[in-house]
Amino acid sequence: QKEVEQDPGPLSVPEGAIVSLNCTYSNSAFQYFMWYRQYSRKGPELLMYTYSSGNKEDGRFTAQVDKSSKYISLFIRDSQPSDSATYLCAMSVNNDMRFGAGTRLTVKP
Amino acid sequence: DAGVIQSPRHEVTEMGQEVTLRCKPISGHDYLFWYRQTMMRGLELLIYFNNNVPIDDSGMPEDRFSAKMPNASFSTLKIQPSEPRDSAVYFCASSSLARTRDAHEQFFGPGTRLTVL
Repeated sequence: QKEVEQDPGPLSVPEGAIVSLNCTYSNSAFQYFMWYRQYSRKGPELLMYTYSSGNKEDGRFTAQVDKSSKYISLFIRDSQPSDSATYLCAMSVNNDMRFGAGTRLTVKP
Repeated sequence: DAGVIQSPRHEVTEMGQEVTLRCKPISGHDYLFWYRQTMMRGLELLIYFNNNVPIDDSGMPEDRFSAKMPNASFSTLKIQPSEPRDSAVYFCASSSLARTRDAHEQFFGPGTRLTVL
């Protein structure tokens, strides 16, 4: 079993839809939970991060962490074509980072 | 700031040849990470440095892979000899513990796309 599981998709939605992306993990020691966005042929860039359980909102993006279920989510409201990218969940403890496989999202105009 | 700089952007080589990938981290960052990304395995951490010292190289796949960081502004990842299964995109990332309690906010370079024929 991988430490971090993420459905690779692909996921295709119409513009304006609400997108839900999810990851599960097995290592209960993880403390920081991140979402990175990667455009085609670019390096990943940090989108959001949370420490321990809870919710965090930033504009159209909301990150949720449920440590009891070892489950994290990213919600995108009013999705735009510019949101089309691969979204990678990541989690870390003591500077050791583990990434999910990434979910490829396409938002169609 | 120019961000993390990697060179070359693309490398095509033949099996058995030595390959050297280069990285210049963001000035002032004290952590440097090397990753490999493939469709099959996703993004994998190979090795990371703190203040130029290798901390964890457990992700380095084989002895054919080696990494150095001679100073705070330069690191190399070397593959010798290269094999077709090494074909992947190699990313370098850097971060600063001074910004966060954990080096989770990593800034990635554009990557080097390596093809071994």
